[in-house]
Amino acid sequence: QVQLQESGPGLVKPSQTLSLTCTVSGGSISSGSYYWSWIRQPAGKGLEWIGRIYTSGSTNYNPSLKSRVTISVDTSKNQFSLKLSSVTAADTAVYYCARGFTSGIAVAYFDYWGQGTLVTVSS
Amino acid sequence: SSELTQDPAVSVALGQTVRITCQGDSLRSYYASWYQQKPGQAPVLVIYGKNNRPSGIPDRFSGSSSGNTASLTITGAQAEDEADYYCNSRDSSGNHLGVFGGGTKLTVL
Repeated sequence: QVQLQESGPGLVKPSQTLSLTCTVSGGSISSGSYYWSWIRQPAGKGLEWIGRIYTSGSTNYNPSLKSRVTISVDTSKNQFSLKLSSVTAADTAVYYCARGFTSGIAVAYFDYWGQGTLVTVSS
Repeated sequence: SSELTQDPAVSVALGQTVRITCQGDSLRSYYASWYQQKPGQAPVLVIYGKNNRPSGIPDRFSGSSSGNTASLTITGAQAEDEADYYCNSRDSSGNHLGVFGGGTKLTVL
């Protein structure tokens, strides 16, 4: 059973960089045709896709966040990470990591999710 | 604004059937996946592809698609189905980016 666990600071000051890590257990991050994503959810609001990475290193980002986001992967540690720079209060949210899978061109989904971690941006 | 549009709230009587819809241009080319989220919990995948359920998801959940609309149907809704439901698909630009609908709050009466 694959499990994902987010970790990182729960409080970040405005203008600083938010850094989170997702540790994957129960399987190799490099196995299969999976990609690894970050998704966030402000309190009382909907889900927002942040971006994804393949273990090849290829990335895609949400255009609205692209200038501030970096997602990286460390296959030796079975981890992938998120960095979001120049944060403001609007970046306060629960951040989820998730495993994605694509079957052909028409099918894509997130089958495993972490429990989520709340990051608050405040001085 | 989201490229996938969902009704904010839907209600259903216990044991009845409810359909939750998701509209967007990208759905003409790509299937939606559906997620159930209960308060304080991470989303859970309930439907993906044409109409596939992950292991452990009850068969009262089903999916369908027509034109620019994807639907999640719950046949015989149970009290435990009360939750927020989100659709997800790729964006309509063809860049294969993930987009979520705004979510539908399902109330079971």
